[in-house]
Amino acid sequence: DIQMTQSPSSLSASVGDRVTITCRASQDIRNDLGWYQQKPGKAPKRLIYAASSLQSGVPSRFSGSGSGTEFTLTISSLQPEDFATYYCLQHNSFPRTFGGGTKVEIK
Amino acid sequence: EVQLVESGGGLVKPGGSLRLSCAASGFTFSGYSMNWVRQAPGKGLEWVSIIDSSGSYKFYAGSLSGRFTISRDNAKNSLFLQMNSLTTEDTAVYFCAKSQRGESPDFWGQGTLVTVSS
Repeated sequence: DIQMTQSPSSLSASVGDRVTITCRASQDIRNDLGWYQQKPGKAPKRLIYAASSLQSGVPSRFSGSGSGTEFTLTISSLQPEDFATYYCLQHNSFPRTFGGGTKVEIK
Repeated sequence: EVQLVESGGGLVKPGGSLRLSCAASGFTFSGYSMNWVRQAPGKGLEWVSIIDSSGSYKFYAGSLSGRFTISRDNAKNSLFLQMNSLTTEDTAVYFCAKSQRGESPDFWGQGTLVTVSS
């Protein structure tokens, strides 16, 4: 199985900060990666697909980059509604695997 | 409007069985692969299973040890997850999610809670 190592597991940031979250795959997954945002008690929402493509309707402050084994989700200017938990998911092979999640909290 | 509505969750004793359903609307159900993903209380997301658009191909997480079976009825726009020999480790919210072939899931239902407890 492909292991997805996500870091950090949590972070504290202020409104307006630039935030970067990383996922590392245990083997090459090309660009077969999605990023998700989940708020408490809610379903995950896809932000990024194919590693760097912005999901329709998602604010442009969210961006994704990377390919192969290293991937990054960046929030350019953190907004109050962005405090949530973020997950990466590889869909290169079965079984699909998620990163462990990054909880973004208010500083 | 795309909708995925899960049902069938509840309290079940260890060793018991449960069948989850996911009712789809607002998109061409037969054109999408469908996934089950679960989330134990306070934990991260865990992918469970996928079925392709026709129901011909199915894949499962290795941790399930053959206890779960995914199926679909395209005529009724419905997805199912039959869960047998349940253990306390299966306690979680179960989400269904749709995906284009070979892509990550792009829309999720709100989930149904399964609690396995004596």
